[in-house]
Amino acid sequence: KAGVTQTPRYLIKTRGQQVTLSCSPISGHRSVSWYQQTPGQGLQFLFEYFSETQRNKGNFPGRFSGRQFSNSRSEMNVSTLELGDSALYLCASSLGQWNIQYFGAGTRLSVL
Amino acid sequence: EDQVTQSPEALRLQEGESSSLNCSYTVSGLRGLFWYRQDPGKGPEFLFTLYSAGEEKEKERLKATLTKKESFLHITAPKPEDSATYLCAVQAEGSSNTGKLIFGQGTTLQVKP
Repeated sequence: KAGVTQTPRYLIKTRGQQVTLSCSPISGHRSVSWYQQTPGQGLQFLFEYFSETQRNKGNFPGRFSGRQFSNSRSEMNVSTLELGDSALYLCASSLGQWNIQYFGAGTRLSVL
Repeated sequence: EDQVTQSPEALRLQEGESSSLNCSYTVSGLRGLFWYRQDPGKGPEFLFTLYSAGEEKEKERLKATLTKKESFLHITAPKPEDSATYLCAVQAEGSSNTGKLIFGQGTTLQVKP
């Protein structure tokens, strides 16, 4: 069956702009988690959505937000981009909030 | 604070030379421990999940084990295609940890022919 799909794969933005990333989970999965991966910090948890509600949030500023739709697809938004936001953004889906997470290929965001 | 530490950071092996990767963790209550493999430019690929001390899982040349404080990923007779970064992650108990994995920094494995 199809895996987790993230679009776009690559993005280049300038400081101050905003960006929206999309994630389509595995069919039947209801939980979507987002992570930021950088060489210095590794993978860090951003937030988790389950049944269209944000259930958990990591230690990131309010510029990072997200939402989940009724079909479990999720988007994350970053406003007022900073150079330090350059990273690989990964989405993971799971059946429920305590199940195995399966990752997409990620969106590589470069902020110039 | 919940924490995961992996060692070594990098490991170079000759093809056929077996070794082990370590993952030490500190969590208030372990819900599950996960091993992933990540190739350059790709997302992490799920390998194993372990839930209780003493548990072991195997898949081809890989075997994962779990104690109360650490997990090992044993690689037997590795091949060049096993070259990748191996990530360890834990999920802790509690409503504030739903959907949240805490990752170690990873071990980058290079297997030379």
